Amino acid sequence: GQQVMQIPQYQHVQEGEDFTTYCNSSTTLSNIQWYKQRPGGHPVFLIQLVKSGEVKKQKRLTFQFGEAKKNSSLHITATQTTDVGTYFCAGPRDSNYQLIWGAGTKLIIKP
Amino acid sequence: ETGVTQTPRHLVMGMTNKKSLKCEQHLGHNAMYWYKQSAKKPLELMFVYNFKEQTENNSVPSRFSPECPNSSHLFLHLHTLQPEDSALYLCASSQESENNGYTFGSGTRLTVV
Repeated sequence: GQQVMQIPQYQHVQEGEDFTTYCNSSTTLSNIQWYKQRPGGHPVFLIQLVKSGEVKKQKRLTFQFGEAKKNSSLHITATQTTDVGTYFCAGPRDSNYQLIWGAGTKLIIKP
Repeated sequence: ETGVTQTPRHLVMGMTNKKSLKCEQHLGHNAMYWYKQSAKKPLELMFVYNFKEQTENNSVPSRFSPECPNSSHLFLHLHTLQPEDSALYLCASSQESENNGYTFGSGTRLTVV
């Protein structure tokens, strides 16, 4: 069935280092969404990408949607403690537009 | 406050109890969802309601029973749960004609003892 794979599962970084999470779909997606869940919190919508090759920026966060609309990435430049959490990608199912979720990448800042 | 309010925030229940989770959205969205989030597992979609009509039941055991009396309220009735049902239960809403993503509530942390 239709799947969205996300890697890595965890990433440990020193504060100030960069962070990247990757999302790959088994099928072409009409759009891809990114969410952030802080520890003890709930997922919060960050952004939606729709166009092939689209790149969007939110301050230190850069989101990309692949040319084939089957993969996406989120890159954080110079991580800060406020970036800690789990980042999820999600894309709509072909049949009914319900979201299929990646497993998430947990960003951990090393002390 | 996200615009989606869930109560209670925490719930401990025995396996023979009956309880209900409540979700209310003030965003005018036309779709509402129940998700289960367990440790080390992806978000699991349980139920979808669109314009109050249930459009998806993702093979959820009958001990979970949803109710959507109107487009702003969603309930999840729980009875004879198992310890493995302990998880964070998240309600979300969206406007399917727009591209603004899902808005999640703060969730109910459920522990079944």
